[in-house]
Amino acid sequence: DADVTQTPRNRITKTGKRIMLECSQTKGHDRMYWYRQDPGLGLRLIYYSFDVKDINKGEISDGYSVSRQAQAKFSLSLESAIPNQTALYFCATSDWTDEGNEQFFGPGTRLTVL
Amino acid sequence: AQSVTQPDIHITVSEGASLELRCNYSYGATPYLFWYVQSPGQGLQLLLKYFSGDTLVQGIKGFEAEFKRSQSSFNLRKPSVHWSDAAEYFCAVVKATGRRALTFGSGTRLQVQP
Repeated sequence: DADVTQTPRNRITKTGKRIMLECSQTKGHDRMYWYRQDPGLGLRLIYYSFDVKDINKGEISDGYSVSRQAQAKFSLSLESAIPNQTALYFCATSDWTDEGNEQFFGPGTRLTVL
Repeated sequence: AQSVTQPDIHITVSEGASLELRCNYSYGATPYLFWYVQSPGQGLQLLLKYFSGDTLVQGIKGFEAEFKRSQSSFNLRKPSVHWSDAAEYFCAVVKATGRRALTFGSGTRLQVQP
């Protein structure tokens, strides 16, 4: 079984709809991240969480919110989806004891907003 | 703010030829450096990483990278490319302190000709 899982893997929705993307991990890591990938832009950080009570905005957090329900779960919400949020979304985890903060990625969720 | 530049958007090489993918970073101190690979329709896989010590690091799949402080570079190399290496490659950095989130370059897409 995969260590970092994301659901759904693909989602098509309409403008204005509320969408939640979920991430679960079995690695026992305390740190979790949400990134979005757009062609030609690489991956950009949306939100990150160092533990259940520590949630921080990344460089492109506008239009998104997150919830860290447990150490193993980190959800990303789009309260009112818009077309320019069409992207590939990745969840990642890392271990605070790892000096280099190597991150482990989920398989991604492809979101299309019509 | 730290940044990562991958100047080559797209590279095509012949199978068996050598490969070098360029990466330059902008950061006041030596960051932690990573190369990730993303195969079509897949998530990100770590190829190699540099934290300190020997500036030539070996990774998986026969890849290596050399850290050059004077040039703020961390170029990825492979002596003989295989058709299965066709993918998108991302260089990333993380600060040694603070939020420890990755900053990605925009990626280099590698095409391998038979």
